[in-house]
Amino acid sequence: GDSVTQMEGPVTLSEEAFLTINCTYTATGYPSLFWYVQYPGEGLQLLLKATKADDKGSNKGFEATYRKETTSFHLEKGSVQVSDSAVYFCALIQGAQKLVFGQGTRLTINP
Amino acid sequence: GAGVSQSPSNKVTEKGKDVELRCDPISGHTALYWYRQSLGQGLEFLIYFQGNSAPDKSGLPSDRFSAERTGGSVSTLTIQRTQQEDSAVYLCASSLGLVGNSGTDTQYFGPGTRLTVL
Repeated sequence: GDSVTQMEGPVTLSEEAFLTINCTYTATGYPSLFWYVQYPGEGLQLLLKATKADDKGSNKGFEATYRKETTSFHLEKGSVQVSDSAVYFCALIQGAQKLVFGQGTRLTINP
Repeated sequence: GAGVSQSPSNKVTEKGKDVELRCDPISGHTALYWYRQSLGQGLEFLIYFQGNSAPDKSGLPSDRFSAERTGGSVSTLTIQRTQQEDSAVYLCASSLGLVGNSGTDTQYFGPGTRLTVL
């Protein structure tokens, strides 16, 4: 079945550091890919998405590019802030069906 | 507009009791999903509704779990004879329920119900 594998956490960085959280997937067909974020004490929020190969999703300074050849969707941000501290989930979906999530990566940004 | 809402936000119950969790989707969303978030298992799919029917119940962990949706809107997830391993955050999401020009159907999540079984 479809699956998503994320870089293991937790990840701790200093403010203004460069962030990469790796995500790779296994799927039949051509899934859409997502990054969701869960801030402390809050629900899951959609951060960005990409629906086909070579698409780049971006939001709040975060970017991820759908790479079909490497089955990857790595999340990047050039300069992180303390407010980016959260748990990040990579996920895939095929059509109007269930999301398949990675295990989540906890990110802590120190001032 | 209003997002997905869930109630209660927290529920503490004793082992063996039944619980009901409620989800109000975004108005106009025909698809509704239940997921479970637990420490050991991460985020797991439970059940998916399109309108009032459930074409995919594959994630329900046992026959103690059931869900229904009425009027194409509110959904209730019921857990009978709760066990300690049922302790988790239960998340509801809704979506338009169709794959449009964007090629996908984005799901929007509620804040969750934290269930603790003593």
